[in-house]
Amino acid sequence: DQQVKQNSPSLSVQEGRISILNCDYTNSMFDYFLWYKKYPAEGPTFLISISSIKDKNEDGRFTVFLNKSAKHLSLHIVPSQPGDSAVYFCAARALNAGNNRKLIWGLGTSLAVNP
Amino acid sequence: EAGVTQFPSHSVIEKGQTVTLRCDPISGHDNLYWYRRVMGKEIKFLLHFVKESKQDESGMPNNRFLAERTGGTYSTLKVQPAELEDSGVYFCASSLIGQYNEQFFGPGTRLTVL
Repeated sequence: DQQVKQNSPSLSVQEGRISILNCDYTNSMFDYFLWYKKYPAEGPTFLISISSIKDKNEDGRFTVFLNKSAKHLSLHIVPSQPGDSAVYFCAARALNAGNNRKLIWGLGTSLAVNP
Repeated sequence: EAGVTQFPSHSVIEKGQTVTLRCDPISGHDNLYWYRRVMGKEIKFLLHFVKESKQDESGMPNNRFLAERTGGTYSTLKVQPAELEDSGVYFCASSLIGQYNEQFFGPGTRLTVL
């Protein structure tokens, strides 16, 4: 049973527009969330994270929003660029579980930004 | 600074054979993780080392898998004997000690068991 869900396998967006990638989670013990980006034949690359004590974190063109009551987070990319085309993974962690550092992953959303 | 490296990048073996995957973490990273992605499924945690000690091996599928990190530097993951369902991409990641330190991933080893 998946604890982190990315229900959209793919998303296509025009260059310059906003990309919104969604993620839902079921485990209320999760209190730290991360987005990773992955190009083919490479490992995931950390993009941005958010702790459950916040509802928004921004880094340049990337903003992550967290709605704890809905157990939902989203990644906004604006403006989208062709180089953003990649698979985006949502991952979660239960920070208070001692030395537990394992990440629980969603299936990923493949983003295509068209010129 | 060199990133996380993994060797080999690809491995094709027959069922019943043994394969050893290697991971070299970023220098100074005491945390080392192994993950696996089976085709069509999510990336799944296998285990976590802190230096040479296994902190969490709750994700290891069964006793055909053996991970080591002698000396707290590089790590190996041995599969013996390999089964068809072991096919997938094995990722290694490393991080500094600390709750909020991001995990840096290697490019992965694609294992195909025929």
